[in-house]
Amino acid sequence: EAAVTQSPRNKVTVTGGNVTLSCRQTNSHNYMYWYRQDTGHGLRLIHYSYGAGNLQIGDVPDGYKATRTTQEDFFLLLELASPSQTSLYFCASSDAGGKDTQYFGPGTRLLVL
Amino acid sequence: GEQVEQLPSILRVQERSSASINCTYENSASNYFPWYKQEPGENPKLIIDIRSNMERKQIQGLIVLLDKKAKRFSLHITDTQPADSAMYFCAASNTGANTGKLTFGHGTILRVHP
Repeated sequence: EAAVTQSPRNKVTVTGGNVTLSCRQTNSHNYMYWYRQDTGHGLRLIHYSYGAGNLQIGDVPDGYKATRTTQEDFFLLLELASPSQTSLYFCASSDAGGKDTQYFGPGTRLLVL
Repeated sequence: GEQVEQLPSILRVQERSSASINCTYENSASNYFPWYKQEPGENPKLIIDIRSNMERKQIQGLIVLLDKKAKRFSLHITDTQPADSAMYFCAASNTGANTGKLTFGHGTILRVHP
Protein backbone atom coordinates (compact mmCIF):
# COMPACT_ATOMS: atom_id res chain seq x y z
CA GLU A 1 0.00 0.00 0.00
CA ALA A 2 1.11 3.56 -0.71
CA ALA A 3 2.96 5.23 2.15
CA VAL A 4 2.03 8.75 3.21
CA THR A 5 3.43 10.16 6.43
CA GLN A 6 2.55 13.37 8.26
CA SER A 7 4.21 15.36 11.00
CA PRO A 8 3.55 16.41 13.61
CA ARG A 9 0.71 14.10 14.59
CA ASN A 10 -0.56 16.56 17.17
CA LYS A 11 0.02 20.29 17.50
CA VAL A 12 -1.18 22.96 19.88
CA THR A 13 -0.67 26.62 19.10
CA VAL A 14 -2.12 29.96 20.10
CA THR A 15 -4.16 32.40 18.06
CA GLY A 16 -1.82 34.26 15.73
CA GLY A 17 0.76 31.52 15.84
CA ASN A 18 2.70 30.17 12.88
CA VAL A 19 2.25 26.47 12.06
CA THR A 20 3.69 24.24 9.37
CA LEU A 21 2.25 20.79 8.71
CA SER A 22 4.41 18.39 6.74
CA CYS A 23 3.51 15.55 4.43
CA ARG A 24 5.76 13.10 2.63
CA GLN A 25 4.87 10.33 0.20
CA THR A 26 7.36 7.79 -1.04
CA ASN A 27 5.39 6.32 -3.92
CA SER A 28 6.43 8.68 -6.70
CA HIS A 29 2.87 9.99 -6.91
CA ASN A 30 2.40 13.19 -8.86
CA TYR A 31 -0.68 14.48 -7.07
CA MET A 32 -0.83 15.53 -3.43
CA TYR A 33 -3.70 17.04 -1.44
CA TRP A 34 -4.39 18.72 1.86
CA TYR A 35 -7.83 18.22 3.48
CA ARG A 36 -9.39 19.25 6.73
CA GLN A 37 -11.96 17.06 8.46
CA ASP A 38 -14.60 18.58 10.69
CA THR A 39 -17.73 17.08 12.17
CA GLY A 40 -20.69 17.82 9.93
CA HIS A 41 -18.50 18.85 7.01
CA GLY A 42 -16.69 15.70 6.01
CA LEU A 43 -13.41 16.13 4.15
CA ARG A 44 -12.81 19.49 2.52
CA LEU A 45 -9.98 20.20 0.10
CA ILE A 46 -7.68 23.06 1.08
CA HIS A 47 -4.89 22.97 -1.54
CA TYR A 48 -3.45 20.44 -3.94
CA SER A 49 -0.54 20.02 -6.30
CA TYR A 50 0.27 18.28 -9.55
CA GLY A 51 4.00 18.13 -8.92
CA ALA A 52 7.02 19.91 -7.50
CA GLY A 53 6.58 23.67 -7.66
CA ASN A 54 2.89 23.44 -8.62
CA LEU A 55 0.06 24.61 -6.38
CA GLN A 56 -3.69 24.57 -6.97
CA ILE A 57 -6.34 26.21 -4.83
CA GLY A 58 -8.91 23.91 -3.28
CA ASP A 59 -12.38 24.59 -1.93
CA VAL A 60 -11.52 26.10 1.47
CA PRO A 61 -8.15 27.88 0.97
CA ASP A 62 -8.64 30.99 3.10
CA GLY A 63 -6.02 31.31 5.81
CA TYR A 64 -3.80 28.60 4.36
CA LYS A 65 -0.74 28.56 2.15
CA ALA A 66 0.94 25.49 0.74
CA THR A 67 4.19 24.64 -0.91
CA ARG A 68 5.32 21.56 -2.85
CA THR A 69 9.09 21.54 -2.62
CA THR A 70 9.75 18.14 -4.17
CA GLN A 71 7.68 15.34 -5.61
CA GLU A 72 7.70 13.75 -2.16
CA ASP A 73 7.05 16.75 0.12
CA PHE A 74 3.98 18.95 0.49
CA PHE A 75 3.64 21.51 3.29
CA LEU A 76 0.62 23.34 4.66
CA LEU A 77 1.29 26.71 6.27
CA LEU A 78 -0.90 28.58 8.71
CA GLU A 79 0.84 31.93 9.19
CA LEU A 80 -1.72 33.49 11.55
CA ALA A 81 -3.57 30.59 13.09
CA SER A 82 -7.13 31.14 14.27
CA PRO A 83 -9.39 28.97 16.47
CA SER A 84 -11.54 28.22 13.39
CA GLN A 85 -8.56 26.29 12.01
CA THR A 86 -8.73 23.79 14.85
CA SER A 87 -9.28 20.59 12.93
CA LEU A 88 -7.97 17.22 11.83
CA TYR A 89 -5.77 17.62 8.76
CA PHE A 90 -5.13 14.87 6.25
CA CYS A 91 -2.63 14.74 3.44
CA ALA A 92 -3.24 12.39 0.53
CA SER A 93 -1.51 11.40 -2.68
CA SER A 94 -2.50 9.73 -5.91
CA ASP A 95 -0.79 8.67 -9.09
CA ALA A 96 -3.21 9.65 -11.81
CA GLY A 97 -5.04 12.55 -10.16
CA GLY A 98 -8.75 11.82 -9.93
CA LYS A 99 -8.43 8.69 -11.98
CA ASP A 100 -6.85 6.66 -9.24
CA THR A 101 -7.05 5.93 -5.56
CA GLN A 102 -6.11 8.66 -3.12
CA TYR A 103 -3.99 7.35 -0.26
CA PHE A 104 -4.32 9.23 3.00
CA GLY A 105 -1.74 9.91 5.66
CA PRO A 106 -2.43 9.29 9.36
CA GLY A 107 -3.60 12.85 10.02
CA THR A 108 -2.47 15.81 12.14
CA ARG A 109 -4.70 17.04 14.91
CA LEU A 110 -4.31 20.81 15.35
CA LEU A 111 -5.68 22.80 18.26
CA VAL A 112 -5.57 26.60 18.10
CA LEU A 113 -6.19 28.18 21.48
CA GLY B 1 -17.81 23.05 -8.64
CA GLU B 2 -19.26 19.76 -7.54
CA GLN B 3 -21.54 19.25 -4.55
CA VAL B 4 -22.13 15.83 -3.03
CA GLU B 5 -24.96 15.15 -0.60
CA GLN B 6 -24.78 12.03 1.57
CA LEU B 7 -27.52 10.47 3.66
CA PRO B 8 -28.11 9.37 6.29
CA SER B 9 -25.62 11.02 8.61
CA ILE B 10 -26.07 8.23 11.18
CA LEU B 11 -27.18 4.67 10.48
CA ARG B 12 -27.80 2.01 13.10
CA VAL B 13 -28.42 -1.58 12.02
CA GLN B 14 -28.52 -5.01 13.59
CA GLU B 15 -25.72 -7.44 12.90
CA ARG B 16 -26.31 -9.54 9.77
CA SER B 17 -28.78 -7.05 8.29
CA SER B 18 -27.93 -4.80 5.35
CA ALA B 19 -26.99 -1.15 5.41
CA SER B 20 -27.45 1.38 2.63
CA ILE B 21 -25.91 4.82 2.16
CA ASN B 22 -27.02 7.16 -0.57
CA CYS B 23 -25.26 10.01 -2.32
CA THR B 24 -26.28 12.49 -4.97
CA TYR B 25 -24.10 14.77 -7.07
CA GLU B 26 -24.69 17.82 -9.23
CA ASN B 27 -22.08 17.83 -11.98
CA SER B 28 -23.15 15.60 -14.87
CA ALA B 29 -19.49 15.45 -15.93
CA SER B 30 -18.54 13.51 -12.79
CA ASN B 31 -17.50 10.01 -13.80
CA TYR B 32 -15.60 8.49 -10.88
CA PHE B 33 -17.26 7.62 -7.56
CA PRO B 34 -15.13 6.13 -4.76
CA TRP B 35 -16.20 5.10 -1.29
CA TYR B 36 -13.90 5.45 1.70
CA LYS B 37 -14.14 3.85 5.14
CA GLN B 38 -12.66 5.58 8.17
CA GLU B 39 -12.35 3.68 11.43
CA PRO B 40 -12.06 5.64 14.70
CA GLY B 41 -8.67 7.29 15.00
CA GLU B 42 -7.62 6.12 11.56
CA ASN B 43 -7.30 7.63 8.11
CA PRO B 44 -9.86 7.13 5.31
CA LYS B 45 -9.21 4.10 3.13
CA LEU B 46 -10.72 3.25 -0.25
CA ILE B 47 -13.04 0.25 -0.06
CA ILE B 48 -14.74 0.27 -3.45
CA ASP B 49 -15.25 2.56 -6.42
CA ILE B 50 -17.31 2.71 -9.58
CA ARG B 51 -16.81 4.52 -12.87
CA SER B 52 -19.50 5.91 -15.10
CA ASN B 53 -19.25 3.09 -17.61
CA MET B 54 -20.76 0.75 -15.00
CA GLU B 55 -24.09 0.63 -13.18
CA ARG B 56 -23.21 -1.94 -10.55
CA LYS B 57 -20.06 -3.25 -8.91
CA GLN B 58 -19.63 -5.79 -6.15
CA ILE B 59 -16.62 -6.71 -4.03
CA GLN B 60 -17.56 -9.45 -1.59
CA GLY B 61 -20.27 -7.96 0.68
CA LEU B 62 -20.02 -4.43 -0.76
CA ILE B 63 -22.28 -3.37 -3.63
CA VAL B 64 -22.24 0.03 -5.30
CA LEU B 65 -24.94 1.19 -7.67
CA LEU B 66 -24.75 4.16 -10.01
CA ASP B 67 -27.76 5.89 -11.63
CA LYS B 68 -26.28 8.52 -13.92
CA LYS B 69 -29.65 9.82 -15.05
CA ALA B 70 -30.67 10.56 -11.45
CA LYS B 71 -27.09 11.58 -10.49
CA ARG B 72 -27.27 9.16 -7.61
CA PHE B 73 -24.98 6.45 -6.31
CA SER B 74 -25.22 4.20 -3.31
CA LEU B 75 -23.27 1.77 -1.16
CA HIS B 76 -24.92 -1.37 0.16
CA ILE B 77 -23.25 -3.50 2.79
CA THR B 78 -24.79 -6.95 3.03
CA ASP B 79 -24.60 -9.20 6.10
CA THR B 80 -23.16 -6.46 8.29
CA GLN B 81 -20.75 -7.26 11.11
CA PRO B 82 -19.65 -5.14 14.09
CA ALA B 83 -16.33 -4.66 12.25
CA ASP B 84 -18.25 -2.67 9.63
CA SER B 85 -18.92 0.03 12.22
CA ALA B 86 -17.10 3.12 10.96
CA MET B 87 -17.50 6.43 9.14
CA TYR B 88 -18.17 6.07 5.42
CA PHE B 89 -17.59 8.78 2.82
CA CYS B 90 -18.76 8.92 -0.75
CA ALA B 91 -16.98 11.13 -3.26
CA ALA B 92 -17.26 12.25 -6.86
CA SER B 93 -14.74 13.38 -9.44
CA ASN B 94 -14.59 14.45 -13.07
CA THR B 95 -11.47 12.67 -14.24
CA GLY B 96 -11.68 14.34 -17.63
CA ALA B 97 -10.90 17.70 -16.05
CA ASN B 98 -7.53 16.31 -14.87
CA THR B 99 -7.74 18.35 -11.69
CA GLY B 100 -7.47 15.34 -9.40
CA LYS B 101 -10.15 16.83 -7.19
CA LEU B 102 -12.47 14.58 -5.20
CA THR B 103 -15.55 16.19 -3.67
CA PHE B 104 -16.61 14.28 -0.56
CA GLY B 105 -19.98 13.88 1.07
CA HIS B 106 -20.27 14.78 4.74
CA GLY B 107 -20.03 11.17 5.86
CA THR B 108 -22.23 8.50 7.41
CA ILE B 109 -21.54 6.98 10.81
CA LEU B 110 -22.54 3.31 10.66
CA ARG B 111 -23.13 1.44 13.91
CA VAL B 112 -23.68 -2.30 13.67
CA HIS B 113 -25.18 -3.68 16.87
CA PRO B 114 -24.71 -7.32 17.90
